[in-house]
Amino acid sequence: GNSVTQMEGPVTLSEEAFLTINCTYTATGYPSLFWYVQYPGEGLQLLLKATKADDKGSNKGFEATYRKETTSFHLEKGSVQVSDSAVYFCALVDSGGYQKVTFGTGTKLQVIP
Amino acid sequence: GAVVSQHPSWVICKSGTSVKIECRSLDFQATTMFWYRQFPKQSLMLMATSNEGSKATYEQGVEKDKFLINHASLTLSTLTVTSAHPEDSSFYICSATRLATDTQYFGPGTRLTVL
Repeated sequence: GNSVTQMEGPVTLSEEAFLTINCTYTATGYPSLFWYVQYPGEGLQLLLKATKADDKGSNKGFEATYRKETTSFHLEKGSVQVSDSAVYFCALVDSGGYQKVTFGTGTKLQVIP
Repeated sequence: GAVVSQHPSWVICKSGTSVKIECRSLDFQATTMFWYRQFPKQSLMLMATSNEGSKATYEQGVEKDKFLINHASLTLSTLTVTSAHPEDSSFYICSATRLATDTQYFGPGTRLTVL
């Protein structure tokens, strides 16, 4: 079956530090890959997505590249802000998966001033 | 575009009562809606998938008679927690997708507390 593995958190960084949150996946088909962000007490917001190998998703300074050879979709940001503090979920939708999303366990990011 | 709302955002009810949660796609037609449950500090657990005009498909271990889902229109799905008990207290999140797309748009969630 499909699965998504994320690095465990929490990740604590100082403001303006470089961020990497690792994500690897297993899937039976050719999945689309996503990063969602959840702020405290809120639902999930789509942060970025990539639909095929070598695609790069980007939004609000965050980037992730779909690496089929390493089955990875690591999230990066060059300079984090306090407002980036949230839980980040890596996820996939398999090409034959009837739109069902497989989520990782989430990684909590804390950015301190 | 692609805004999904939920109502109410939080609800407190007595044990044994039923609670209805609404999920609406505000600016698009949602052919499929999903209902999730999220426990504290955990990921989302898919409860059921609903397609407009048809019965919901429940995930293994989810009681369909307890969690009633109705998807009567392309913009509205409802989740009714029947005879709620304290163990049903949780954060319930819905999501919606357009036809033939792979991106789910999530609602802001509903915090249910059963006393």
